[in-house]
Amino acid sequence: GDSVTQMEGPVTLSEEAFLTINCTYTATGYPSLFWYVQYPGEGLQLLLKATKADDKGSNKGFEATYRKETTSFHLEKGPVQVSDSAVYFCALRAGGTSYGKLTFGQGTILTVHP
Amino acid sequence: NAGVTQTPKFQVLKTGQSMTLQCAQDMNHNSMYWYRQDPGMGLRLIYYSASEGTTDKGEVPNGYNVSRLNKREFSLRLESAAPSQTSVYFCASSGRGQGATKSTDTQYFGPGTRLTVL
Repeated sequence: GDSVTQMEGPVTLSEEAFLTINCTYTATGYPSLFWYVQYPGEGLQLLLKATKADDKGSNKGFEATYRKETTSFHLEKGPVQVSDSAVYFCALRAGGTSYGKLTFGQGTILTVHP
Repeated sequence: NAGVTQTPKFQVLKTGQSMTLQCAQDMNHNSMYWYRQDPGMGLRLIYYSASEGTTDKGEVPNGYNVSRLNKREFSLRLESAAPSQTSVYFCASSGRGQGATKSTDTQYFGPGTRLTVL
């Protein structure tokens, strides 16, 4: 079945550092890929997405490129800010589905210190 | 637009008690979902409803039932709560309906219900 694997956390960075959170996936066909962010005490919000190979999703200074050859969708940002502290989830939606059932990774906790 | 709303925000139950978690969306989306979030395990799909009148099991349906009351509302029921059901529960919606707002392939999440079963 489909699966998503994220790098182990938690990740702790100083402000102004560069962030990479690794995400790899296993799926048949051509899935759509997503990064969601969860701030403390809140629900998940879509951060960015990519729907086909070589697409780059970007939002709020975050970027991720859909790499089919390496089945990866790594999240990057530089430099990070304290306000970026949150839990980040990588997710996929199987290709060919008309509705949006998602498979999530386990989440990566990011803490940014001043 | 309120987006996706969930009630209650917090709940404490004793083992064996029942309760219903409520979810509503005002984006005219066709599809709705219930997830549970546990530490280190991400979000796991409990049940989903691809469209009004249909429901299907997700990854972890045991111990739960759902009702798609109408296009707006999708409730999750625990008939006999167990400590293993202590979790944070999220409702989400997606998909295009007549007059729908926002993207078709993005899931929009509610704020969650934190449930503790003693």
